[in-house]
Amino acid sequence: SQQGEEDPQALSIQEGENATMNCSYKTSINNLQWYRQNSGRGLVHLILIRSNEREKHSGRLRVTLDTSKKSSSLLITASRAADTASYFCAQPYTGGFKTIFGAGTRLFVKA
Amino acid sequence: DTEVTQTPKHLVMGMTNKKSLKCEQHMGHRAMYWYKQKAKKPPELMFVYSYEKLSINESVPSRFSPECPNSSLLNLHLHALQPEDSALYLCASSQVWDSLGSPLHFGNGTRLTVT
Repeated sequence: SQQGEEDPQALSIQEGENATMNCSYKTSINNLQWYRQNSGRGLVHLILIRSNEREKHSGRLRVTLDTSKKSSSLLITASRAADTASYFCAQPYTGGFKTIFGAGTRLFVKA
Repeated sequence: DTEVTQTPKHLVMGMTNKKSLKCEQHMGHRAMYWYKQKAKKPPELMFVYSYEKLSINESVPSRFSPECPNSSLLNLHLHALQPEDSALYLCASSQVWDSLGSPLHFGNGTRLTVT
């Protein structure tokens, strides 16, 4: 399977805490993307990090990329109940012309 | 609200029915996609259209028939489905379809139940 792996599968934290999700992938990449999906809704693109970047920020989101380990992490700081959702990493396969999603992390933020 | 609109939001159909899912975007994107998502699983790619031409079919059974009438519309025609085809069907679009992977813009999906 070309699908990447994410851990943890599920994460439950208190409002105000930070949440970290990890993603590992299998092949070389041009970029890696993170998406959020609220229950029963479509996915929303959060952030894209290119293969020559090591870290990227967007608001309360911080993404890191380690191409030598084929891994990425998404950090959500000062989490809110509204951050409760599933988070997926996704990689466009070079030459494959398709974006494959990791298994996802289900985040639950308790108010 | 998303800029990709899918209709209907929910659909219940029998195994002998014929139905269609519709997707529309007005962002000027030239690539459109169908994904299938089962509960607690990631989306799985079904079809890719680029400039209204079918570019990828991920070995999807012929009971699913995609159609791209123009650059803004994408349909998925359903016929003789099985109960295991019940899932959330997501439409997405991107500016272009290329190996670099433009970010995808998703609709909110059609929740399909096959009885």
